[in-house]
Amino acid sequence: DIQMTQSPASLSASLEEIVTITCQASQDIGNWLAWYQQKPGKSPQLLIYGATSLADGVPSRFSGSRSGTQYSLKISRLQVEDIGIYYCLQAYSAPRTFGGGTKLELK
Amino acid sequence: EVQLQESGPGLVKPSQSLSLTCSVTGYSITSNYWGWIRKFPGNKMEWMGYISYSGSTSYNPSLKSRISITRDTSKNQFFLQLNSVTTEDTATYYCARYGSSSLLYYFDYWGQGVMVTVSS
Repeated sequence: DIQMTQSPASLSASLEEIVTITCQASQDIGNWLAWYQQKPGKSPQLLIYGATSLADGVPSRFSGSRSGTQYSLKISRLQVEDIGIYYCLQAYSAPRTFGGGTKLELK
Repeated sequence: EVQLQESGPGLVKPSQSLSLTCSVTGYSITSNYWGWIRKFPGNKMEWMGYISYSGSTSYNPSLKSRISITRDTSKNQFFLQLNSVTTEDTATYYCARYGSSSLLYYFDYWGQGVMVTVSS
């Protein structure tokens, strides 16, 4: 199975701050990566797919990037509604595997 | 609008079977792929498997022969059965749709999730 190592596990940031979350894949997965946001009490919502493509309706302050087998999710200006848990998901091969999650809180 | 809704018992005894239903509205399950994912206490997420538009299935090898995903196209529902459960199967279970076109390999719609506790 492909391992997705996500960091940090938790993050406390201030409003308007830039936030970056990363996932390291254990092998090459190309651009087959998605980022999901899960708000408290809600189901996960797709933010980014294909490593860098913004899903419909997602604010432009979210962006994804790739450097080799490291993938990053950036929130350019943190808003209150961005609080939640973020997951990466590799879609390169079965079984699909998720990162361990990053819990994002307001400082 | 595509909507998915999980249903099933919230409490299952160890060694018994867990059975969940995902009811889909606004879209036919004879299109796309449909999956089950679970989230454990502590936030770890696990992909369990999927059923395709044609009824073919794929499962996570970690679940070995315990899992079965089936469907009823007349009711636009698909089902999860997990046998011989233990307390380690305690989790929130989600059903989800794989998208189309550029979203073919990604989950684009999710149910709200159902919490299942395995306990005697």
